[in-house]
Amino acid sequence: EDKVVQSPLSLVVHEGDTVTLNCSYEVTNFRSLLWYKQEKKAPTFLFMLTSSGIEKKSGRLSSILDKKELFSILNITATQTGDSAIYLCAVEALTPGTYKYIFGTGTRLKVLA
Amino acid sequence: DTEVTQTPKHLVMGMTNKKSLKCEQHMGHRAMYWYKQKAKKPPELMFVYSYEKLSINESVPSRFSPECPNSSLLNLHLHALQPEDSALYLCASSQESGDPNYGYTFGSGTRLTVV
Repeated sequence: EDKVVQSPLSLVVHEGDTVTLNCSYEVTNFRSLLWYKQEKKAPTFLFMLTSSGIEKKSGRLSSILDKKELFSILNITATQTGDSAIYLCAVEALTPGTYKYIFGTGTRLKVLA
Repeated sequence: DTEVTQTPKHLVMGMTNKKSLKCEQHMGHRAMYWYKQKAKKPPELMFVYSYEKLSINESVPSRFSPECPNSSLLNLHLHALQPEDSALYLCASSQESGDPNYGYTFGSGTRLTVV
C-alpha cells in the first residue's frame, strides 16, 4: 500500500530558529514529491521535486529529495511567526491511465515570538 | 487566470437536501480532483478526472456524485449526506504533463456542514 509519513507531527520553535521537516515515502511508480503550506484554508504550493540531490530554494525555505533512501526534507531558516502552519508532503504516483497524490499527515509548526 | 475557483465558500445543508459544489479553472489543466479534508487531517482524495473522464474513485459513497461537464468545470453533487460528511471540500487541478514549476493548484474550498 502506498504511504507517505511525515515527522515530527508537531513542532514548537522560537523566531530565528532553523527547522527541518521530514517526509518519507513508499509508493509504486513514483513521479514527484511536493511540499505544501496550509494555514487556514487550501494548501499553498511550495516545491515540486523530481530529481535526487538537487536543492530547490525559495527565500528562507529549501528542500531536497533522496530517491534512493525515499525521503525529502524541508528546511526553514530564520523562522518567523508567519511560518506557523501545517506543512504537507504529497507524493505523486502513477496509476493506470492517470496519476494521483498521496498526502502525509502533515507537520504542525508553531513559531513563537 | 491562475486560480481554481470554488463555490459556494460555505454551505449548510440538511440530511434530506440536494446541493452541488462547483469548481472552475481556466488554466488549461486536464486533470481535476476532489478532496475531502476533516479538521486537523490532510486532504483525502475522493475523485480524479483526467481529460473529462472519471479515472479514480476512491471508494466514495454514492451520496457523492461527481460530474465534469467540460474541461474547465467540475461539480460534486450531494444528496442524503450524513453529519460526519461535514468537512472542507477542496478542488484541485494540474497539468497532465506535470509542469515541474507549478505543482498543482488548489481552490480555497467549500466548508460544508450537514445538520
